[in-house]
Formats: sequence, C-alpha cells, structure tokens
Amino acid sequence: EAGVVQSPRYKIIEKKQPVAFWCNPISGHNTLYWYLQNLGQGPELLIRYENEEAVDDSQLPKDRFSAERLKGVDSTLKIQPAELGDSAVYLCASSLGTGGKGANVLTFGAGSRLTVL
Amino acid sequence: DQQVKQNSPSLSVQEGRISILNCDYTNSMFDYFLWYKKYPAEGPTFLISISSIKDKNEDGRFTVFLNKSAKHLSLHIVPSQPGDSAVYFCAASGMNRDDKIIFGKGTRLHILP
Repeated sequence: EAGVVQSPRYKIIEKKQPVAFWCNPISGHNTLYWYLQNLGQGPELLIRYENEEAVDDSQLPKDRFSAERLKGVDSTLKIQPAELGDSAVYLCASSLGTGGKGANVLTFGAGSRLTVL
Repeated sequence: DQQVKQNSPSLSVQEGRISILNCDYTNSMFDYFLWYKKYPAEGPTFLISISSIKDKNEDGRFTVFLNKSAKHLSLHIVPSQPGDSAVYFCAASGMNRDDKIIFGKGTRLHILP
C-alpha cells in the first residue's frame, strides 16, 4: 500500500513567486494535516481537514497561505506570494480520524522542501 | 511557550548500550503521548505511544515511560543499533479528538560503532 505521497519533493523559487504543494493521503484516511517544519524544530500544524472540511486552520497565515481538499481526498497547499521566511519543509500527514488513539497516529509523507531566494 | 520540551538537541550512545531520550510537558490536559522517528529526507514515522492511564508501554527494543506527576516521559531503546540513528520527536495531545498534536523540537540520536 502506498503511503502519503507528496510532490514536489524540492522547490526553489524567488520571493514573491507563488508555489503549490500537493498531497495524496493514505486511502481511507479521512483526516489530513499540513504541517510546517522549520530547521531544528518539530512539526507545527498549519491546517487539519476532516474529509473536505477544514476543522482547524487557526495556525494558517491566511494572508498568503491557502489550502483545499475539494473531494475529501487529495489536498493542495498554496503560498502566494512566497517570502524568505517561508523556506521550510511542508509535511502532509493523514490519519484514520475515527477518534481515540488511532486519530493521533499520523502517517507522514516525505515532505516538500521549499527554498525561497 | 513550548508545551512539549526536548531539552537535549543531540545524544550519542555506543552501539549495544541503552539510549534514553527525555521529554517534558507543561500542559496537564495532555492525555496521550507519542514518539516519532525521522530519518533525513523522510517524514516522521510513528514509533510508540502511551496513554495517560499507563506508566509504561513496551514494544520490542522500545519502551516508553510516563511520569504524570513530573510531567515527564522517556523513550528507552535497548540495545541500541546503528539503524536507530535518527531524530526522535516527542508529541502529546489532549483527550478530545479535536485536540492538536504538539511536537517537541526533537533529539538527534547518534549510535556510535
């Protein structure tokens, strides 16, 4: 079974350019997460989806970041315009989302490393 | 304000010996604790977890201990193997399904030959 698939793995752009990341979660996982991981830090939640509904986007900088999960499966995370401080790894994760302990065990993708010049 | 703290950025342990990674938390509402392992250029992978109703959970070479009164947990790896060299993240969440999962900054474990 394929794990959480993310693309692109690496992206280098100039500041003020737009960028988009794509995530395909594990089949059957209703809950999808986007995390930001800065160098030397742990993952920090940007947004969480339950099916197609964004149930927690409190940490998403909405002036430049947007996300969607239109059919409750794949998801995209967009940054427009990108700033130097956005250089980081963007991790997508999914879980069963059935509540209880299973909901907390996340399966992560390999991440998309963004470098903004 | 860090709710989950891993105060050791790195740790070196001789192969075959015990590795002990520590984690402290500040939020008494945390109910469930997890350890994730991360290799370079890969996403974190789930390793082991423990509920607050327990004080120990064991899975092969990995054991997690929870001390609720001290708000402290630790991951023991014995015996340590070269493949254990990775970054280990401690994570915690509350009782409710909607509670965020908060990660620590991670500890880089080096297993020395």
